Amino acid sequence: AQTVTQSQPEMSVQEAETVTLSCTYDTSENNYYLFWYKQPPSRQMILVIRQEAYKQQNATENRFSVNFQKAAKSFSLKISDSQLGDTAMYFCAFMKVGTSYGKLTFGQGTILTVHP
Amino acid sequence: DAGITQSPRHKVTETGTPVTLRCHQTENHRYMYWYRQDPGHGLRLIHYSYGVKDTDKGEVSDGYSVSRSKTEDFLLTLESATSSQTSVYFCAIRGQGGEKLFFGSGTQLSVL
Repeated sequence: AQTVTQSQPEMSVQEAETVTLSCTYDTSENNYYLFWYKQPPSRQMILVIRQEAYKQQNATENRFSVNFQKAAKSFSLKISDSQLGDTAMYFCAFMKVGTSYGKLTFGQGTILTVHP
Repeated sequence: DAGITQSPRHKVTETGTPVTLRCHQTENHRYMYWYRQDPGHGLRLIHYSYGVKDTDKGEVSDGYSVSRSKTEDFLLTLESATSSQTSVYFCAIRGQGGEKLFFGSGTQLSVL
């Protein structure tokens, strides 16, 4: 079974600054996806970024980028130029490729607050 | 968005009563999931479906049952609700061959 751990229950950052959210995972699989989801106060689950394990290049989406360290089983999310709208709960998630039926395993979540 | 609707959005019920939550999709996606969200636990998989009448248990399935008689509908039933089932419930869908899950807006269930 896979486990995903987010060790930072809460983080805060000033507007326009950079913040990094941590995520570690445990798996014996070699081929998988990793995701970061954002959940604002509206409760909507929004996919922020995804990484395929077989790709060495770190994924980026505008102000969001990841630092994927496969050997260390680490998958951190960096948010640059933080905006007030980035205030949300962030979840790291794991999906095995293949016969897993696309099930996601989530971390506990990190509450990020962006201060003006 | 992804054409997924959950109902109801909020529900308050009493211990021991049956409760059914509905997830409806208009995307004709094969895979559907029910998750619950609790503080300190993130989202945990309750049950999932990989086709009509094809369902299986997730990691927290005790006390829950599901049914999928049509592609578009996935029902989650609490046969006899308990206070420990107070939670936010999310439905999600995924298309064949894709890795993206699309989530509904959630149902806040309170069992008193």
